Amino acid sequence: AQRVTQPEKLLSVFKGAPVELKCNYSYSGSPELFWYVQYSRQRLQLLLRHISRESIKGFTADLNKGETSFHLKKPFAQEEDSAMYYCAPAHHMDTGRRALTFGSGTRLQVQP
Amino acid sequence: DADVTQTPRNRITKTGKRIMLECSQTKGHDRMYWYRQDPGLGLRLIYYSFDVKDINKGEISDGYSVSRQAQAKFSLSLESAIPNQTALYFCATSEQNNEQFFGPGTRLTVL
Repeated sequence: AQRVTQPEKLLSVFKGAPVELKCNYSYSGSPELFWYVQYSRQRLQLLLRHISRESIKGFTADLNKGETSFHLKKPFAQEEDSAMYYCAPAHHMDTGRRALTFGSGTRLQVQP
Repeated sequence: DADVTQTPRNRITKTGKRIMLECSQTKGHDRMYWYRQDPGLGLRLIYYSFDVKDINKGEISDGYSVSRQAQAKFSLSLESAIPNQTALYFCATSEQNNEQFFGPGTRLTVL
């Protein structure tokens, strides 16, 4: 079955430590990949997308087609990075339409 | 960001009742989506619509129906609510680039 996997439900690090949130997908073809973030009491919002190759709030994500992974990384975590992070490939549904499927999410806790 | 709004924000209802959740957007996007969020399961797609005349089932459409009344409005109905439909429901919109903009969510409890 096609799916997206975020193996860690909770990732707890100290401020200043490196962070890597894992995402693996099993969709055929070339999905377009996104990371979404939900801060406490805020709406779910786009963090970054792989085609833009941007660094947003210090986060980067590289698409590894060989490993079918799209891990989110930041070299030095900040307390304000504490949030729920979702990996979301956009892929063709059964209808032929392209839509997002969200992973189960990883909660990042950055301790002072 | 009030571009995507959802009503009601909270609702408690009883098993068997018909419930409608409404979503409105002022972003001018053609595409609209309904998701439910459950702890440990992330967001799952219920229905999506790419324009007013286009309705598609998502991953978990059983027990739900939708209506796209206009470009700006997309309603989700539970014809006969059951307790396992207790969840947080999100509406979202997008253009063709798949960047989705989410509403604040509706917390639904079915007793």
